[in-house]
Amino acid sequence: DVKVTQSSRYLVKRTGEKVFLECVQDMDHENMFWYRQDPGLGLRLIYFSYDVKMKEKGDIPEGYSVSREKKERFSLILESASTNQTSMYLCASTPPRFYGYTFGSGTRLTVV
Amino acid sequence: AQTVTQSQPEMSVQEAETVTLSCTYDTSESDYYLFWYKQPPSRQMILVIRQEAYKQQNATENRFSVNFQKAAKSFSLKISDSQLGDAAMYFCAYRRPGANSKLTFGKGITLSVRP
Repeated sequence: DVKVTQSSRYLVKRTGEKVFLECVQDMDHENMFWYRQDPGLGLRLIYFSYDVKMKEKGDIPEGYSVSREKKERFSLILESASTNQTSMYLCASTPPRFYGYTFGSGTRLTVV
Repeated sequence: AQTVTQSQPEMSVQEAETVTLSCTYDTSESDYYLFWYKQPPSRQMILVIRQEAYKQQNATENRFSVNFQKAAKSFSLKISDSQLGDAAMYFCAYRRPGANSKLTFGKGITLSVRP
């Protein structure tokens, strides 16, 4: 089975900190995605990448950046964490022609 | 831009009964894919069922089936013989064709199952 692993299940960070959320997949998938999930808003796409060193903005990229130096790893970076970035963050991956995403189990980030 | 609408935030069903979760979408494409995902309390998103728009036959996976109405842009999920383990959030999602296209999700619906 494809595995998508998010490094932390829970994180608590302080306002202004630089935060790294890591995601690793083990099936050589080209496409990787970062979503945030908030009650009543569903899943909203932050950034995605369809190849190493490639990245594209999703619907809500403000306050975030990403890094993809290796195919299996896609990092989400909060340059200066703010309380409105408290959320659940979900990573997903898929090959280019696919029938659905494989998701990680999520990181619940709290910014205090 | 494509949008996916799940208008019911919550539903409840008696164990062993049948429940239908609604989803509508908006697109100008003629070919696309539709999905239902389940997110239990463990937070792991699980693909429940998918439907290709070019297929007229409704998809079925065991107790899960869809009612796909292309002209009405409606994609509802029917869960038969509901079980306690079906309690979860359910998300409807849309994807247009293309190697690098992405999923657009609805806001989700919380399903509870009464014993």
